[in-house]
Amino acid sequence: SQTIHQWPATLVQPVGSPLSLECTVEGTSNPNLYWYRQAAGRGLQLLFYSVGIGQISSEVPQNLSASRPQDRQFILSSKKLLLSDSGFYLCAWNSYTNEKLFFGSGTQLSVL
Amino acid sequence: GESVGLHLPTLSVQEGDNSIINCAYSNSASDYFIWYKQESGKGPQFIIDIRSNMDKRQGQRVTVLLNKTVKHLSLQIAATQPGDSAVYFCAENTGRRALTFGSGTRLQVQP
Repeated sequence: SQTIHQWPATLVQPVGSPLSLECTVEGTSNPNLYWYRQAAGRGLQLLFYSVGIGQISSEVPQNLSASRPQDRQFILSSKKLLLSDSGFYLCAWNSYTNEKLFFGSGTQLSVL
Repeated sequence: GESVGLHLPTLSVQEGDNSIINCAYSNSASDYFIWYKQESGKGPQFIIDIRSNMDKRQGQRVTVLLNKTVKHLSLQIAATQPGDSAVYFCAENTGRRALTFGSGTRLQVQP
């Protein structure tokens, strides 16, 4: 069966520090991969998605970037965090033939 | 722009009652809809989905209804239990690769 792993679960970072969140998927090949952000008490905002290695689409201009160095690995990064980057970050995957998204357990990021 | 939204931000029900969570969408081209449940501090979990060629689909204790005429989607939970307390999101596939999510409804089940 397919599983998605996301880490760390929580992260506290100072303003101006770098960020790296990692997500991996097991049990499937060539998944579509997504990064969403969720502000407290709000809905999910799509940040990036990827349909293949090295292929990244950005949905909103921001202080973040994403990379997909391997088929089942998706990384969210920042060179310098801002206070506004705080939130709950969710990685998700689906297949080309099925729109249903499967989510990871999320990373709670607090930028102080 | 076109979006998915929800009528009620918070819904409080008594244990054992039925719950109905509503969602309005505005993109008439959407052909796939899905409901997720999110517990505090966790990722959303799939509940049930429906395609636009259907108007009703049932699962275990849950039913999704789709009214394309008025662009309305609802989730019905039968015999609501304390474990159903969570935030519920509807989402739609507008033809892009990623689902577009609504802002969510918090369901509170009173014992």
